[in-house]
Amino acid sequence: DSGVTQTPKHLITATGQRVTLRCSPRSGDLSVYWYQQSLDQGLQFLIQYYNGEERAKGNILERFSAQQFPDLHSELNLSSLELGDSALYFCASSVTGWNSYEQYFGPGTRLTVT
Amino acid sequence: QQQVKQSPQSLIVQKGGIPIINCAYENTAFDYFPWYQQFPGKGPALLIAIRPDVSEKKEGRFTISFNKSAKQFSLHIMDSQPGDSATYFCAARTETSGSRLTFGEGTQLTVNP
Repeated sequence: DSGVTQTPKHLITATGQRVTLRCSPRSGDLSVYWYQQSLDQGLQFLIQYYNGEERAKGNILERFSAQQFPDLHSELNLSSLELGDSALYFCASSVTGWNSYEQYFGPGTRLTVT
Repeated sequence: QQQVKQSPQSLIVQKGGIPIINCAYENTAFDYFPWYQQFPGKGPALLIAIRPDVSEKKEGRFTISFNKSAKQFSLHIMDSQPGDSATYFCAARTETSGSRLTFGEGTQLTVNP
């Protein structure tokens, strides 16, 4: 158990809908990262937050957004969902966002868009 | 330049064998190279990692070999066991890109009893 929690574990929704994925980092970790894992794209970095501020952005679609709250939990919002958004979404956390090497991953949320 | 290339895509060995998974990179700004192990239905778990100032690192049965001049690194699993059957990902990060991890494509390892 990495200490990173994610909810829900599974999510099934229809095209055009909006969902919110939630992540709680390990105790003491200030940085949260979101990754998408799909069969064709592999593990791809989406976005990083450090202590409430956006730190880095990857190949995140404009339909996707995220935020990190004062209690350091983070939410990833996916809107106008398409079939191609079906994937595993992982959250990872690390102590800091700068000289932080070790990232610990949560169990993921499996999103299925029908 | 941000890519990390991993091979092979899949690997089958007998129990006790030494599977070797290779990764290559182009971006010389990468300064940290972790390996993750992922079982079906689980998140990637940090296995072992190396910095480019070291050529080899061992943790238990897992060894990373690092060749800075060739921009390559590899994972060796000594005395492999059926419980090691999983997907293995190499990754790399740069501080300048906010510590994001760039992952290889993954290697599905099967260790037969």
